[in-house]
Amino acid sequence: SQKIEQNSEALNIQEGKTATLTCNYTNYSPAYLQWYRQDPGRGPVFLLLIRENEKEKRKERLKVTFDTTLKQSLFHITASQPADSATYLCALSGGSNYKLTFGKGTLLTVNP
Amino acid sequence: DAGITQSPRHKVTETGTPVTLRCHQTENHRYMYWYRQDPGHGLRLIHYSYGVKDTDKGEVSDGYSVSRSKTEDFLLTLESATSSQTSVYFCAIRRGRDTGEYEQYFGPGTRLTVT
Repeated sequence: SQKIEQNSEALNIQEGKTATLTCNYTNYSPAYLQWYRQDPGRGPVFLLLIRENEKEKRKERLKVTFDTTLKQSLFHITASQPADSATYLCALSGGSNYKLTFGKGTLLTVNP
Repeated sequence: DAGITQSPRHKVTETGTPVTLRCHQTENHRYMYWYRQDPGHGLRLIHYSYGVKDTDKGEVSDGYSVSRSKTEDFLLTLESATSSQTSVYFCAIRRGRDTGEYEQYFGPGTRLTVT
């Protein structure tokens, strides 16, 4: 069966450093991979989408890579700030991109 | 903000009672989804809809039914609530972007407790 693993339940880093979160998957050939941010008591918020034929995508301080050979995505937040503290979810979808499968998330804490 | 509201936001109910959660959107999106989120499991898809009266099952559909009689409303019903259905329920819509890609926008969630 399809499996998505976000390799850390929790990650603590110092303000100003780069946070790197990992999403691995098995038994799946996704066409799209998305990253979401979720704050406590709120619904997830879309951050970035990357297609299977894209290696990297950037948006402001965020960068996502997608390696379909390794079956892995890396999500980077550069110059991290305490306001970046949240749970980050990765999600995969097939070619029609109408149904997402989510990982369990990584709780990022950025310490001042 | 994709104009998604969920009601009620909080509900406590007893085992065996029926419960209906409502999701309302204001932007006429075709796809709507119901997820549940539990510690240790993450977000899991219950049911989704791809149009009025068009619905399909997700990963954890047992014990749940849905209906969509209008584009803007997607209802989730627990026919006979059980304690295992205590969870936070999120509604979402699929929204297109100028790139032709799609992402999902989520409502604020409903916290349901079954005692």
